[in-house]
Amino acid sequence: AQTVTQSQPEMSVQEAETVTLSCTYDTSENNYYLFWYKQPPSRQMILVIRQEAYKQQNATENRFSVNFQKAAKSFSLKISDSQLGDTAMYFCAFMKWRDGANSKLTFGKGITLSVRP
Amino acid sequence: EAQVTQNPRYLITVTGKKLTVTCSQNMNHEYMSWYRQDPGLGLRQIYYSMNVEVTDKGDVPEGYKVSRKEKRNFPLILESPSPNQTSLYFCASSRYRVGSLYTEAFFGQGTRLTVV
Repeated sequence: AQTVTQSQPEMSVQEAETVTLSCTYDTSENNYYLFWYKQPPSRQMILVIRQEAYKQQNATENRFSVNFQKAAKSFSLKISDSQLGDTAMYFCAFMKWRDGANSKLTFGKGITLSVRP
Repeated sequence: EAQVTQNPRYLITVTGKKLTVTCSQNMNHEYMSWYRQDPGLGLRQIYYSMNVEVTDKGDVPEGYKVSRKEKRNFPLILESPSPNQTSLYFCASSRYRVGSLYTEAFFGQGTRLTVV
């Protein structure tokens, strides 16, 4: 079974600064996806960024980028130029990919990020 | 607009009173799933469906039922709710076709359920 670990329950960052959220995972699968989801107070689950395991290049989406270390099974999220609207809970998630298999997302416990003005 | 719609968004009920949380998607997705979110546990899968009339248990299926009679709808049924089913529930859908790459999962707005 896959597991996803987010060891930091809370983090705080000053507006306009950079913050990195950590995530490690454990799997024996070779084909999988990794995701970061944002959950603001509205509770909506918003996809921030995704990474395919077969891609060596780290994914980026505007101010969001990841550091994907496949051998170390690490998948951290870097948020640059933090904004007040980034305040939310962030979940790291894993999904194995195999034809016919359950497309289940395995989530970490989440980290609450607060951006200070 | 592509969306997954859950109803109701909030529900308070009493132990043992059967309830249904509805989920509908307008993207013609094959795959649908239910998750529950609890503090300190993240989201965990309850049930999933690969297509019409094809459903299976996820990681925490006890006390829940589902059905998939139409492609767009995937209701979650609690036949006899108990207080330990108090949680935040999410429905999600995504495209699934054999041989295709995975695409994004779309989530509903969430249903906050309290069982007293």
